[in-house]
Amino acid sequence: SQQGEEDPQALSIQEGENATMNCSYKTSINNLQWYRQNSGRGLVHLILIRSNEREKHSGRLRVTLDTSKKSSSLLITASRAADTASYFCATVPQEDSYKLIFGSGTRLLVRP
Amino acid sequence: SQTIHQWPATLVQPVGSPLSLECTVEGTSNPNLYWYRQAAGRGLQLLFYSVGIGQISSEVPQNLSASRPQDRQFILSSKKLLLSDSGFYLCAWGSEETQYFGPGTRLLVL
Repeated sequence: SQQGEEDPQALSIQEGENATMNCSYKTSINNLQWYRQNSGRGLVHLILIRSNEREKHSGRLRVTLDTSKKSSSLLITASRAADTASYFCATVPQEDSYKLIFGSGTRLLVRP
Repeated sequence: SQTIHQWPATLVQPVGSPLSLECTVEGTSNPNLYWYRQAAGRGLQLLFYSVGIGQISSEVPQNLSASRPQDRQFILSSKKLLLSDSGFYLCAWGSEETQYFGPGTRLLVL
């Protein structure tokens, strides 16, 4: 079964606004990653946060991790129309570091 | 630099026909390789992964199989396709903590 669940399932915002997506997972993890998928394409790795980290930044992306609540959030600041895509969280379980377990994703629409 | 190829990009197959999807990686040695399936508007489901030639781990029992005949080649197969096999199939290779995805194959079983 899927490890992660994301909310919201879909998000529509105006260009320039911030977008926040949340992810919850079930078991202990080594790290949590966020990926982006443009429609009909492969996934692109965005950012990785390890289980001993609480916050990480990369450009306009900010990721937080709360292992006590088994949850993470992805914040995209000053969104652009080009940010329109689906965003997935994925976890690497402690019991099997070869795997990535994906959530169901958030579809983000940034209106110009 | 590393690149990952998948083909074909799109495939329409009748129910009961065989399937062979190929994935190859360039620019890296002994990668971990993965096959995922994505239903429309959904997340990715891990189907198979391989940590070496001839080593295949299956995640979901179904009528699909995988093989790794060479270090950088990963093949997804079926002897008889079902309607429920329709979806978007993604191959990925793993580098320590991160996975890198191919462009995917869209399979429609009619």
